[in-house]
Amino acid sequence: NAGVTQTPKFQVLKTGQSMTLQCAQDMNHNSMYWYRQDPGMGLRLIYYSASEGTTDKGEVPNGYNVSRLNKREFSLRLESAAPSQTSVYFCASSEGAGRGYNEQFFGPGTRLTVL
Amino acid sequence: AQSVTQLGSHVSVSEGALVLLRCNYSSSVPPYLFWYVQYPNQGLQLLLKYTTGATLVKGINGFEAEFKKSETSFHLTKPSAHMSDAAEYFCAVSDNPSSASKIIFGSGTRLSIRP
Repeated sequence: NAGVTQTPKFQVLKTGQSMTLQCAQDMNHNSMYWYRQDPGMGLRLIYYSASEGTTDKGEVPNGYNVSRLNKREFSLRLESAAPSQTSVYFCASSEGAGRGYNEQFFGPGTRLTVL
Repeated sequence: AQSVTQLGSHVSVSEGALVLLRCNYSSSVPPYLFWYVQYPNQGLQLLLKYTTGATLVKGINGFEAEFKKSETSFHLTKPSAHMSDAAEYFCAVSDNPSSASKIIFGSGTRLSIRP
Protein backbone atom coordinates (compact mmCIF):
# COMPACT_ATOMS: atom_id res chain seq x y z
CA ASN A 1 0.00 0.00 0.00
CA ALA A 2 1.96 3.02 -1.30
CA GLY A 3 -0.55 5.68 -0.18
CA VAL A 4 -0.18 8.85 -2.25
CA THR A 5 2.59 8.92 -4.85
CA GLN A 6 3.80 11.88 -6.88
CA THR A 7 6.05 12.17 -9.93
CA PRO A 8 8.48 13.67 -10.56
CA LYS A 9 10.23 14.44 -7.26
CA PHE A 10 12.21 17.33 -8.74
CA GLN A 11 11.84 19.39 -11.90
CA VAL A 12 13.52 22.44 -13.39
CA LEU A 13 11.71 24.35 -16.13
CA LYS A 14 12.41 27.43 -18.17
CA THR A 15 9.86 30.22 -18.26
CA GLY A 16 7.12 29.40 -20.75
CA GLN A 17 7.61 25.64 -20.71
CA SER A 18 4.75 23.34 -19.81
CA MET A 19 4.63 20.26 -17.66
CA THR A 20 2.25 17.93 -15.86
CA LEU A 21 2.64 16.78 -12.27
CA GLN A 22 1.24 13.35 -11.66
CA CYS A 23 -0.48 12.07 -8.53
CA ALA A 24 -1.96 8.68 -7.72
CA GLN A 25 -3.49 7.14 -4.62
CA ASP A 26 -4.24 3.51 -3.85
CA MET A 27 -6.55 4.02 -0.85
CA ASN A 28 -9.77 4.11 -2.87
CA HIS A 29 -10.31 7.71 -1.79
CA ASN A 30 -12.94 9.83 -3.48
CA SER A 31 -11.41 13.27 -2.95
CA MET A 32 -8.05 14.56 -4.11
CA TYR A 33 -6.25 17.89 -3.72
CA TRP A 34 -3.31 19.89 -5.05
CA TYR A 35 -1.47 22.33 -2.78
CA ARG A 36 1.56 24.51 -3.14
CA GLN A 37 3.89 25.25 -0.26
CA ASP A 38 5.93 28.43 -0.14
CA PRO A 39 8.17 29.63 2.70
CA GLY A 40 6.23 31.46 5.39
CA MET A 41 2.88 30.86 3.69
CA GLY A 42 1.95 27.35 4.71
CA LEU A 43 -0.04 25.29 2.22
CA ARG A 44 -2.40 26.91 -0.22
CA LEU A 45 -5.02 24.94 -2.12
CA ILE A 46 -4.74 25.15 -5.91
CA TYR A 47 -7.53 22.81 -7.03
CA TYR A 48 -9.45 19.93 -5.59
CA SER A 49 -11.65 17.12 -6.84
CA ALA A 50 -14.46 16.11 -4.49
CA SER A 51 -15.17 12.98 -6.50
CA GLU A 52 -14.31 11.38 -9.80
CA GLY A 53 -15.50 13.62 -12.61
CA THR A 54 -15.54 16.87 -10.65
CA THR A 55 -12.93 19.56 -10.06
CA ASP A 56 -13.10 22.90 -8.27
CA LYS A 57 -10.83 25.89 -7.83
CA GLY A 58 -9.06 26.49 -4.58
CA GLU A 59 -7.35 29.59 -3.24
CA VAL A 60 -4.68 30.00 -5.96
CA PRO A 61 -5.83 28.39 -9.25
CA ASN A 62 -4.45 30.91 -11.75
CA GLY A 63 -1.87 29.44 -14.11
CA TYR A 64 -2.88 25.84 -13.42
CA ASN A 65 -5.23 23.24 -14.80
CA VAL A 66 -6.18 19.85 -13.42
CA SER A 67 -7.55 16.57 -14.66
CA ARG A 68 -9.17 13.88 -12.58
CA LEU A 69 -8.23 11.04 -14.91
CA ASN A 70 -9.98 8.35 -12.87
CA LYS A 71 -10.60 7.64 -9.22
CA ARG A 72 -6.91 6.98 -8.56
CA GLU A 73 -5.22 9.77 -10.50
CA PHE A 74 -5.30 13.57 -10.32
CA SER A 75 -2.85 15.55 -12.44
CA LEU A 76 -1.80 19.21 -12.27
CA ARG A 77 -0.70 21.01 -15.42
CA LEU A 78 1.28 24.19 -15.84
CA GLU A 79 0.65 25.40 -19.38
CA SER A 80 3.23 28.21 -19.43
CA ALA A 81 5.45 28.12 -16.38
CA ALA A 82 6.44 31.35 -14.63
CA PRO A 83 9.09 31.97 -11.95
CA SER A 84 6.25 32.71 -9.49
CA GLN A 85 5.29 29.05 -9.77
CA THR A 86 8.56 27.94 -8.22
CA SER A 87 7.33 26.00 -5.20
CA VAL A 88 6.87 22.61 -3.62
CA TYR A 89 3.68 20.94 -4.78
CA PHE A 90 1.80 18.44 -2.68
CA CYS A 91 -0.99 16.13 -3.67
CA ALA A 92 -3.37 14.81 -1.01
CA SER A 93 -6.41 12.55 -0.86
CA SER A 94 -9.25 11.86 1.55
CA GLU A 95 -12.19 9.52 1.76
CA GLY A 96 -14.63 12.22 0.72
CA ALA A 97 -18.00 13.65 1.56
CA GLY A 98 -20.36 11.88 3.90
CA ARG A 99 -17.73 9.53 5.24
CA GLY A 100 -17.20 10.99 8.66
CA TYR A 101 -13.98 12.68 9.55
CA ASN A 102 -12.11 13.51 6.41
CA GLU A 103 -8.39 13.26 7.15
CA GLN A 104 -6.15 14.20 4.25
CA PHE A 105 -3.19 11.98 3.36
CA PHE A 106 -0.26 13.67 1.64
CA GLY A 107 2.24 12.62 -0.98
CA PRO A 108 5.99 13.34 -0.65
CA GLY A 109 5.89 16.43 -2.86
CA THR A 110 7.37 17.70 -6.11
CA ARG A 111 9.99 20.43 -5.90
CA LEU A 112 9.62 22.67 -8.97
CA THR A 113 11.98 25.44 -10.00
CA VAL A 114 11.12 27.78 -12.87
CA LEU A 115 14.06 29.76 -14.23
CA ALA B 1 -14.02 33.28 6.79
CA GLN B 2 -11.73 30.93 8.60
CA SER B 3 -8.11 31.67 9.36
CA VAL B 4 -5.24 30.29 11.39
CA THR B 5 -2.40 32.18 13.04
CA GLN B 6 0.67 30.39 14.29
CA LEU B 7 2.72 32.51 16.66
CA GLY B 8 6.42 32.13 15.99
CA SER B 9 7.80 30.84 12.72
CA HIS B 10 10.69 29.20 14.55
CA VAL B 11 10.84 27.71 18.04
CA SER B 12 13.98 26.24 19.59
CA VAL B 13 14.00 24.17 22.77
CA SER B 14 16.51 21.98 24.55
CA GLU B 15 16.16 18.22 24.50
CA GLY B 16 13.97 17.22 27.46
CA ALA B 17 12.32 20.64 27.72
CA LEU B 18 8.65 21.46 27.26
CA VAL B 19 7.48 22.05 23.71
CA LEU B 20 4.75 24.67 23.23
CA LEU B 21 3.62 25.67 19.74
CA ARG B 22 0.91 28.29 19.61
CA CYS B 23 -2.10 28.36 17.31
CA ASN B 24 -5.07 30.71 17.26
CA TYR B 25 -7.97 30.36 14.88
CA SER B 26 -10.90 32.31 13.57
CA SER B 27 -14.09 30.56 12.54
CA SER B 28 -17.73 31.59 12.30
CA VAL B 29 -18.93 28.09 13.14
CA PRO B 30 -17.67 25.48 15.61
CA PRO B 31 -14.28 24.57 14.20
CA TYR B 32 -12.54 21.33 13.47
CA LEU B 33 -8.88 21.74 14.33
CA PHE B 34 -5.77 19.83 13.34
CA TRP B 35 -2.05 19.70 13.83
CA TYR B 36 0.08 18.24 11.06
CA VAL B 37 3.82 17.52 11.16
CA GLN B 38 6.21 17.68 8.22
CA TYR B 39 9.62 16.05 8.50
CA PRO B 40 12.35 17.23 6.11
CA ASN B 41 11.66 16.39 2.48
CA GLN B 42 8.41 14.62 3.30
CA GLY B 43 4.71 15.33 3.01
CA LEU B 44 2.47 16.27 5.91
CA GLN B 45 1.07 13.70 8.31
CA LEU B 46 -1.69 14.14 10.85
CA LEU B 47 -0.48 14.54 14.42
CA LEU B 48 -3.85 15.00 16.11
CA LYS B 49 -7.30 16.43 15.58
CA TYR B 50 -10.19 17.98 17.47
CA THR B 51 -13.69 17.46 16.12
CA THR B 52 -16.13 17.32 19.02
CA GLY B 53 -16.16 16.10 22.61
CA ALA B 54 -13.14 16.15 24.91
CA THR B 55 -11.19 19.37 24.53
CA LEU B 56 -7.83 17.80 25.40
CA VAL B 57 -6.71 15.76 22.45
CA LYS B 58 -3.82 13.31 22.47
CA GLY B 59 -1.87 12.52 19.33
CA ILE B 60 1.08 10.52 18.18
CA ASN B 61 4.61 10.78 19.57
CA GLY B 62 3.47 12.15 22.95
CA PHE B 63 1.95 15.36 21.62
CA GLU B 64 -1.33 16.79 22.84
CA ALA B 65 -3.38 19.91 22.22
CA GLU B 66 -6.20 21.62 24.07
CA PHE B 67 -9.13 23.34 22.39
CA LYS B 68 -10.01 26.53 24.28
CA LYS B 69 -13.06 28.14 22.78
CA SER B 70 -12.89 31.24 24.98
CA GLU B 71 -9.34 31.92 23.81
CA THR B 72 -9.88 30.65 20.23
CA SER B 73 -6.70 28.64 20.69
CA PHE B 74 -5.43 25.14 19.96
CA HIS B 75 -1.86 25.09 21.26
CA LEU B 76 0.32 22.01 20.81
CA THR B 77 2.41 20.71 23.69
CA LYS B 78 4.79 17.91 24.56
CA PRO B 79 6.24 17.58 28.06
CA SER B 80 9.73 16.50 27.02
CA ALA B 81 11.26 17.23 23.64
CA HIS B 82 13.22 14.61 21.74
CA MET B 83 15.69 15.18 18.94
CA SER B 84 13.36 13.34 16.57
CA ASP B 85 10.69 16.02 17.12
CA ALA B 86 12.62 18.46 14.95
CA ALA B 87 10.23 19.23 12.09
CA GLU B 88 7.77 21.80 10.82
CA TYR B 89 4.35 21.86 12.43
CA PHE B 90 1.18 23.19 10.85
CA CYS B 91 -2.05 24.08 12.58
CA ALA B 92 -5.17 23.88 10.42
CA VAL B 93 -8.89 24.61 10.67
CA SER B 94 -11.94 23.43 8.80
CA ASP B 95 -15.61 24.17 9.21
CA ASN B 96 -16.68 20.74 8.06
CA PRO B 97 -14.10 18.05 7.40
CA SER B 98 -16.77 15.50 6.53
CA SER B 99 -17.23 17.31 3.26
CA ALA B 100 -14.55 17.49 0.63
CA SER B 101 -14.00 21.08 1.48
CA LYS B 102 -10.96 23.12 2.21
CA ILE B 103 -8.74 22.87 5.22
CA ILE B 104 -7.03 26.18 5.95
CA PHE B 105 -3.41 25.80 7.04
CA GLY B 106 -1.34 28.15 9.14
CA SER B 107 2.04 29.33 7.94
CA GLY B 108 3.91 26.74 10.00
CA THR B 109 6.32 26.69 12.94
CA ARG B 110 9.73 25.14 12.57
CA LEU B 111 10.76 23.32 15.76
CA SER B 112 14.46 22.89 16.46
CA ILE B 113 15.81 20.78 19.31
CA ARG B 114 19.12 21.68 20.98
CA PRO B 115 21.19 18.79 22.38
